[in-house]
Amino acid sequence: KNEVEQSPQNLTAQEGEFITINCSYSVGISALHWLQQHPGGGIVSLFMLSSGKKKHGRLIATINIQEKHSSLHITASHPRDSAVYICAASGGGGSNYKLTFGKGTLLTVNP
Amino acid sequence: GAVVSQHPSRVICKSGTSVKIECRSLDFQATTMFWYRQFPKQSLMLMATSNEGSKATYEQGVEKDKFLINHASLTLSTLTVTSAHPEDSSFYICSAWDSLQETQYFGPGTRLLVL
Repeated sequence: KNEVEQSPQNLTAQEGEFITINCSYSVGISALHWLQQHPGGGIVSLFMLSSGKKKHGRLIATINIQEKHSSLHITASHPRDSAVYICAASGGGGSNYKLTFGKGTLLTVNP
Repeated sequence: GAVVSQHPSRVICKSGTSVKIECRSLDFQATTMFWYRQFPKQSLMLMATSNEGSKATYEQGVEKDKFLINHASLTLSTLTVTSAHPEDSSFYICSAWDSLQETQYFGPGTRLLVL
């Protein structure tokens, strides 16, 4: 069983919709990362958070340490947001920076 | 912001040859870099942790003699796939740990195709 679980696996939305991607983890962590991977393969780090909430533009990430759960929200979604979004936990196994990855959520935003 | 580069971005080689992939941190020093492999429609899998000035730490199931890692400077780590075979065809991604920012920056990846 993967220690980091994401849902949904696939998500299709219409432009303008509010999107939520969920991530649950079963290990103790020092931080939770949200990454974006475009079809070409390159990965961009969106957020790293260990508590509370962070916002960058139309993206919002939240984490609930007690429930071991994080969410990534996209407001006013746009076709250019189409990508794979990956949740990753760091701090498992005593390493502060070794990441354990979820399987990713493929988001498709249609115009 | 911090940038991590990889070279080459894609490579095609014949079976049995060796391929070297470079990972550079461009505006910060990274004592620790990571090498990942990603097969189509699968998640990233950590292959090894590259430590500057010392031997790399390999994950279970990754052959250290096949995937040679060298981290000779604080801004460069290299992964050499020795005697490559078609099953080594994959997307290889590196990342570098910025200890000042306490965050990890990813390279753009290298797509390897072994014929």
